[in-house]
Amino acid sequence: QKEVEQNSGPLSVPEGAIASLNCTYSDRGSQSFFWYRQYSGKSPELIMFIYSNGDKEDGRFTAQLNKASQYVSLLIRDSQPSDSATYLCAVKIGGTSYGKLTFGQGTILTVHP
Amino acid sequence: EAGVAQSPRYKIIEKRQSVAFWCNPISGHATLYWYQQILGQGPKLLIQFQNNGVVDDSQLPKDRFSAERLKGVDSTLKIQPAKLEDSAVYLCASSFPGSGGSSTDTQYFGPGTRLTVL
Repeated sequence: QKEVEQNSGPLSVPEGAIASLNCTYSDRGSQSFFWYRQYSGKSPELIMFIYSNGDKEDGRFTAQLNKASQYVSLLIRDSQPSDSATYLCAVKIGGTSYGKLTFGQGTILTVHP
Repeated sequence: EAGVAQSPRYKIIEKRQSVAFWCNPISGHATLYWYQQILGQGPKLLIQFQNNGVVDDSQLPKDRFSAERLKGVDSTLKIQPAKLEDSAVYLCASSFPGSGGSSTDTQYFGPGTRLTVL
């Protein structure tokens, strides 16, 4: 079992729709969860981080964390063509400041006009 | 605030040659990371430094890869000799050492070096 798993997609949604990206992780001791966006040929850039169970909203983005189910998701409301990118879920394995960040393989999102 | 700097941006070498990559982290960031990202995959941590000490190098192929961070700032990653499967983007990232559960955990990435081994 991979430490961090994502559906590689591609996920295709129409402009204005809600895109839902999912991620599961295997280490129950994980405490920090991150969503990065990576445009083709570019480096990952942070969208959101979440540490507590529940929802965290930032503009059109909502991160959801369920530690009991070992599940974290990212919702993108009112999706725009500029949101088309690969979305990487990253989990900090281990609870210390030296815990390793492990990435999933990424989900390719395409938002079509 | 200046971001993470990396050079070169692109490198093409033949197998069995050596190559070195350079990284300058964000000022004040004590933690520095080197990742390997193969096309279609997520970044894989190769080595993590805290100041100039190694925290994690469990996934670094030590028979051919080496890294150092002198004076706790700039870092160099070297591959010698390179293999075809080393073709990838090498990403450097840095973070302010956090205690977990805060924004200081966030890693910021440089533009990467795209390595092609022929």
